[in-house]
Amino acid sequence: GENVEQHPSTLSVQEGDSAVIKCTYSDSASNYFPWYKQELGKRPQLIIDIRSNVGEKKDQRIAVTLNKTAKHFSLHITETQPEDSAVYFCAARGYSGAGSYQLTFGKGTKLSVIP
Amino acid sequence: KAGVTQTPRYLIKTRGQQVTLSCSPISGHRSVSWYQQTPGQGLQFLFEYFSETQRNKGNFPGRFSGRQFSNSRSEMNVSTLELGDSALYLCASSLNRQGDGYTFGSGTRLTVV
Repeated sequence: GENVEQHPSTLSVQEGDSAVIKCTYSDSASNYFPWYKQELGKRPQLIIDIRSNVGEKKDQRIAVTLNKTAKHFSLHITETQPEDSAVYFCAARGYSGAGSYQLTFGKGTKLSVIP
Repeated sequence: KAGVTQTPRYLIKTRGQQVTLSCSPISGHRSVSWYQQTPGQGLQFLFEYFSETQRNKGNFPGRFSGRQFSNSRSEMNVSTLELGDSALYLCASSLNRQGDGYTFGSGTRLTVV
């Protein structure tokens, strides 16, 4: 099955700096890669996603890049703000058989933005 | 429209007991997936239900089971609770089996004492 590795597990940045979180996946057939943000005590929320036919996607201060050949994708947050502090999860969606697809998550990155 | 609703929000059970958690998906969503979230292991996939049938199962013991009703609401059950079952249990619903519109509920925090 799919295996997703996420690095780093913790990341501290100064407010205004950029943050980059990287994930690798194992199944070359995976075709959808979402990123979720989970604030303390809250549910994971989708912040950006990318499909396998696209190399990069941007939404204001957040961008995601995908390298299918190397099987890795990254989340980039620019001009970080204290409210960006949260745990971020990457995921890869692969076909798991019998018409079913499954999201496999990385173990998460705890981002702390220091004012 | 209403999001994914999980009940109860918090639960304390004793070792050996059983527990049932409920998940009501977003209206129109037909697929429901369940995850166990613990600090050390991240989000671990439990199972997925679509059209009242379990379509996918993660690597959890048989004490973990679930079902889905005709209105797409889902329940998961854990029997013979162990201390290690203490976790946040999240469900997520999506429109279809391809995972379109994948949205998480707020979770049920289970503590086993």
